[in-house]
Amino acid sequence: EVQLVESGGGLVQPGGSLRLSCAASGFTVSSNYMSWVRQAPGKGLEWVSVIYSGGSTYYADSVKGRFTISRDNSKNTLYLQMNSLRVEDTAVYYCARVRPATLDFDYWGQGTLVTVSS
Amino acid sequence: QSVLTQPPSVSGAPGQRVTISCTGSSSNIGAGYDVHWYQQLPGTAPKLLIYGNNNRPSGVPDRFSGSKSGTSASLAITGLQAEDEADYYCQSYDSSLSGWVFGGGTKLTVL
Repeated sequence: EVQLVESGGGLVQPGGSLRLSCAASGFTVSSNYMSWVRQAPGKGLEWVSVIYSGGSTYYADSVKGRFTISRDNSKNTLYLQMNSLRVEDTAVYYCARVRPATLDFDYWGQGTLVTVSS
Repeated sequence: QSVLTQPPSVSGAPGQRVTISCTGSSSNIGAGYDVHWYQQLPGTAPKLLIYGNNNRPSGVPDRFSGSKSGTSASLAITGLQAEDEADYYCQSYDSSLSGWVFGGGTKLTVL
């Protein structure tokens, strides 16, 4: 059974850093496209970043230069390093698996809340 | 402002049919990229509802269907049930942005 479990969210001050983790089971992270999607409180979904199976990474303009997506193949885990956090980064962050053929998100984690506030 | 445009809300009585539109542009839906739909029940993660414009994952009732034409797509729900009350999002890929894009979401209320 495919499962994605995020962790690492919490309260951080503006300008601070946080690293989110997404532990996967039931499939191999390194063989798949993996993404982060966020949802601000009461708002819609926003794509954040993707890492392809070959290792290429891409980011939304809103986080480019501040966030870094990576993976640990030995732990079958996806990460999102978030630096220079802003109040507007406050959101629930979901990790999701992307199907390359259709570019849809077929499995999602339960999400982890990141709150950026002083 | 979302790249894909959806109505903020729709409503219908139990048993009725409702549709949710999703309008994009020549760099996403109009460029031939597939449209996908997600259902988000209150307090839960999104769930893939329709993929590849009109395909249902295993376990999704055939009351849900999708279509795509030109730069737009639609989600239709027939035989509305109380449990269908949720937020619905369309999603595609945008070649100009080199990234994934979502609609702003539509809240479905079952009267």
